[in-house]
Amino acid sequence: EVQLVQSGAEVKKPGESLKISCKGSGYSFTNYWIGWVRQMPGKGLEWMGSIYPGDSDIRYSPSFQGQVTISADKSISTAYLQWSSLKASDTAMYYCVRPPWSSWGPNNWFDPWGQGTLVTVSS
Amino acid sequence: QSVLTQPPSASGTPGQRVTISCSGSSSNIGYSTVNWYQQLPGTAPKLLIYTSNKRPSGVPDRFSGSKSGTSASLAISGLQSEDEADYYCAAWDDSLNGPVFGGGTKLTVL
Repeated sequence: EVQLVQSGAEVKKPGESLKISCKGSGYSFTNYWIGWVRQMPGKGLEWMGSIYPGDSDIRYSPSFQGQVTISADKSISTAYLQWSSLKASDTAMYYCVRPPWSSWGPNNWFDPWGQGTLVTVSS
Repeated sequence: QSVLTQPPSASGTPGQRVTISCSGSSSNIGYSTVNWYQQLPGTAPKLLIYTSNKRPSGVPDRFSGSKSGTSASLAISGLQSEDEADYYCAAWDDSLNGPVFGGGTKLTVL
């Protein structure tokens, strides 16, 4: 069974750094893109960016470029989403997702989804 | 402001048929297939419809999807109380070179 398991909830102060993780299992981790999706409280879903662990190719949504860093460690089948200086507006649920193909492009979808990591940023 | 436009809410009574619309443009829905996700309260979204009209294993055939031009719709027939959830459409956007989502529709079963 293909699974994505995310790290636990985090409570941070503005200005602090954070790295959350997503571990893939049940498939060849290096052969599929892994993406991150943000859901702010009471709001909809936003794609942030994706990484191809096989060659570390990364695609960012323009809305998130420069705001976060996506990385992966293929030796432990884990992808990461990182902030260097958190803001209160980063408070959200973050999901990791995997598309069905190894190619980047249309006619893709996200399945499975990780269980989500709640990040709360408050002074 | 989401790239794809959905009505914020929809409702129906048990047994009824409801539809949820999703409107986009030639760079997204007009360019690629559409996917639908169901998010039950307090849970992660789940794939409901892919490639505009296909259901993953385990999704009841009460759920169906269609696409025409730059619009798509999700239909739920024989509405049940457990269908109460948020529903999101999504498509690839050629201009963004990435996926875009609708704002979500909250379905209430009266």
